[in-house]
Amino acid sequence: SQQGEEDPQALSIQEGENATMNCSYKTSINNLQWYRQNSGRGLVHLILIRSNEREKHSGRLRVTLDTSKKSSSLLITASRAADTASYFCATDTYYGNNRLAFGKGNQVVVIP
Amino acid sequence: DAGVTQSPTHLIKTRGQQVTLRCSPKSGHDTVSWYQQALGQGPQFIFQYYEEEERQRGNFPDRFSGHQFPNYSSELNVNALLLGDSALYLCASSLAGDEAFFGQGTRLTVV
Repeated sequence: SQQGEEDPQALSIQEGENATMNCSYKTSINNLQWYRQNSGRGLVHLILIRSNEREKHSGRLRVTLDTSKKSSSLLITASRAADTASYFCATDTYYGNNRLAFGKGNQVVVIP
Repeated sequence: DAGVTQSPTHLIKTRGQQVTLRCSPKSGHDTVSWYQQALGQGPQFIFQYYEEEERQRGNFPDRFSGHQFPNYSSELNVNALLLGDSALYLCASSLAGDEAFFGQGTRLTVV
């Protein structure tokens, strides 16, 4: 069953704008990971945030985690056309085992 | 480091046939997981291999089986293929509680 649920499902923005996606989940987690997927190919790992962390940055990416609300957000700043992709959140509910439960994904289109 | 590699890239099979997909994990990783991704959906966990044993299994029938070799590479076998088995099959490798890295996937079409 799907654990993460991303919101919104589809997002269309202008190049240079920021894109924010949210993810909610139902059970306790060990960590939450965000992935990007281009045109139905493999998943590219973006960032991992552990359950005892609240915020993490990587380049133009900022991820927050609120375990009390069972939610996470991914912010992409200064978006580029190359950021056009599907973005998935995945939760790991088993410590150290990386059995990931994925949401349905967010389709992001960045218009040049 | 070649990362996670999967073969073949694409595959077309007839209903009722059997298929084997292959995965080589990222160097240093000892855990391999397989996922099925239907069109427009997120990946679904099939099973995970560690130390050549199936450690965890998702909600998939016994037609789906796998193997892990001493060099940590893995195979996914699907018997008695159904049209509904058409999907992108993704392999992921990891080490302990660190990030899971995915391969480019194998696109399986059952006709």
